[in-house]
Amino acid sequence: EAGVAQSPRYKIIEKRQSVAFWCNPISGHATLYWYQQILGQGPKLLIQFQNNGVVDDSQLPKDRFSAERLKGVDSTLKIQPAKLEDSAVYLCASSSTSPSGGPMGTQYFGPGTRLTVL
Amino acid sequence: DQQVKQNSPSLSVQEGRISILNCDYTNSMFDYFLWYKKYPAEGPTFLISISSIKDKNEDGRFTVFLNKSAKHLSLHIVPSQPGDSAVYFCAAVNAGGTSYGKLTFGQGTILTVHP
Repeated sequence: EAGVAQSPRYKIIEKRQSVAFWCNPISGHATLYWYQQILGQGPKLLIQFQNNGVVDDSQLPKDRFSAERLKGVDSTLKIQPAKLEDSAVYLCASSSTSPSGGPMGTQYFGPGTRLTVL
Repeated sequence: DQQVKQNSPSLSVQEGRISILNCDYTNSMFDYFLWYKKYPAEGPTFLISISSIKDKNEDGRFTVFLNKSAKHLSLHIVPSQPGDSAVYFCAAVNAGGTSYGKLTFGQGTILTVHP
């Protein structure tokens, strides 16, 4: 079974530039998550999708961050314009559970995209 | 507002000995807890979990203990192996809440197991 795929693995940009990250979850996983992990901290949830609908985006800085999940499969996360404090690893995860109930499911993480903003 | 805390940034143990990683939480609504392991340049991988209705869960060399009254959990690795060297994250979730599946992570503890 293929894991969660993310690209690019590394990205260096200047502040005020735009950047986009791509995620392909495990086949059949309905729930997709984007996390931000700043150096020395644990991952912080930015946005959670159930199929192509947003379940939770309460911690997404919506003035500069946007995310979409077309057709309930792949997802893209965009930052426009980037700030120095956006330097972090952006992790995508997927799980097979639904928010409506059932047993707590395991989230499977991709390798992440390391973003450096200069 | 750090709802999940891992107060030890690092831990160093000898191969064959026990590793104990600790985690504290403040939100009493959390009812499910997980440990993830992370190697460099990889995403976190699920290790073991425990529901709040239990106080212990064991899987091979890994055991997680939960003390709800103290809002504390710990991960025991016995015996420790050099391949266990990684960053360990504690995570918590309110499984019955509206933000189903939203994990709150601690800061992580770097475990180094020396041969």
